[in-house]
Amino acid sequence: QKEVEQNSGPLSVPEGAIASLNCTYSDRGSQSFFWYRQYSGKSPELIMSIYSNGDKEDGRFTAQLNKASQYVSLLIRDSQPSDSATYLCAVKNTNAGKSTFGDGTTLTVKP
Amino acid sequence: GAGVSQSPRYKVAKRGQDVALRCDPISGHVSLFWYQQALGQGPEFLTYFQNEAQLDKSGLPSDRFFAERPEGSVSTLKIQRTQQEDSAVYLCASSFRGMGLVTDTQYFGPGTRLTVL
Repeated sequence: QKEVEQNSGPLSVPEGAIASLNCTYSDRGSQSFFWYRQYSGKSPELIMSIYSNGDKEDGRFTAQLNKASQYVSLLIRDSQPSDSATYLCAVKNTNAGKSTFGDGTTLTVKP
Repeated sequence: GAGVSQSPRYKVAKRGQDVALRCDPISGHVSLFWYQQALGQGPEFLTYFQNEAQLDKSGLPSDRFFAERPEGSVSTLKIQRTQQEDSAVYLCASSFRGMGLVTDTQYFGPGTRLTVL
C-alpha cells in the first residue's frame, strides 16, 4: 500500500462544475500537505498548501484537511478547461526533508 | 532566470552508458531534492541536500545512482551503467529553508527525460 493514495481517475466534470479530488495518507507524523498541478509533459506546480485541520481557500481552490481521518481534499470551483491536468497530493513529515507523493488524479474539464 | 533549471532536458542513452544530470536551484535556496517520476506515477524521492551535505539518500534505488552538491548550489545526479528501468523523468526541486520547517515550499525544475535504449 502506498503511503499516499489518490484515485487515479480520470475524473471528468463539465465546465463550471465543482471538481473534488481526494487523498489519504498513512504517516500520522505528516504535518504539511500540498496539492500540485502537473500538465502533461511539464513539472509539478504548487497550487495549495495546508498545515492545520479545516479549510483553506485561495481563489477557486479550497483545500480541506482532516488529520484524524488522515484525509486531504482539493475542491476546484467553476472548473475551466485550463484546469485539465493531473493533480498530485504530497505530504511531508517535519522530521524529513522529502515530500511523499501520490500517483495523481487526472482531471478533464469538458467545455 | 529565477526558477530551477535542469540540463539536459532530454537524454537518450544506450544501456550500460553513464549519464550525468545537472540541476541549478534557485539562488539562495538551502535545500535541494531529486525525484524520479515514471510515466503515470507521482514523483518518487531519491535524495536530499541541505547546502552541500547529503542528509538523506534513502531513495536512491541502487549503488549505480550517485548525487553530489559540492559547493552547496549546483547539483549533479549521476547514473552509472544505465538500465532500461532507469528510463524516467528526473526532477530537481529546491526550497529556501532547511529540514524541519513545516511551511517550506519546494519549487520544481522542468525535469530531464532520460530514455535508456
